[in-house]
Amino acid sequence: QVQLQESGPGLVKPSETLSLTCTVSGYSISSGYYWAWIRQPPGEGLEWIGYIYSSGKSKSYYNSSLKSRLTISVDMSKNQFSLTLFSVTAADTAIYYCARYGTGSSTYLDYWGQGTLVTVSS
Amino acid sequence: QSALTQPRSVSGSPGQSVTISCTGTSTDIGGHNYVSWYQQHPGKAPKLMIYDVTKRPSGVPDRFSGSKSGNTASLTISGLQAEDEADYYCCSYAGTLSYVFGSGTKVTVL
Repeated sequence: QVQLQESGPGLVKPSETLSLTCTVSGYSISSGYYWAWIRQPPGEGLEWIGYIYSSGKSKSYYNSSLKSRLTISVDMSKNQFSLTLFSVTAADTAIYYCARYGTGSSTYLDYWGQGTLVTVSS
Repeated sequence: QSALTQPRSVSGSPGQSVTISCTGTSTDIGGHNYVSWYQQHPGKAPKLMIYDVTKRPSGVPDRFSGSKSGNTASLTISGLQAEDEADYYCCSYAGTLSYVFGSGTKVTVL
């Protein structure tokens, strides 16, 4: 059974950097698959942030609206992947979810973490 | 890219059928057969209900079905049950290795 768990600070100051980690259990991340981040501002809808392929060169792909502030990386030794978002503002306040893209077409998210709330405030 | 357009809310009585539409463009929904649907109960993570437009993951009741015509995808819930009351989001591949979610629809069981 694949399980994902987000971790990181719940409060970040404006203009600072938001860093979150997703720890995967029940599957060796180095075996492949695409791993994603999604966020949801309180009371609002889902927003796709980006994803990374966890094998070979580990190439990542980002939402164009966040691309200039965003890095997604993978640490195979820890079976984790991470999100780093620079220069945050109140608009980045959201529940952040990590998830895995499924097999076959790899265009759907079949396993999700429980989500972690990040608040941007001074 | 802009969010896909979904109705804000739909409702139905137990046993009835409801359909949720998800409208995009020829770049996303219309250009690919990679539409997925997610159910989200309050305070919970989203759950995959439909993928690749019409496919249902193991464990999802067969009263959930998906379809697509042109730039619009649809999720139909037949034989509505109380536990189906939740928010539903569509998601489509949008080309250039990116994805876009819908605006979300609240399903209310009357």
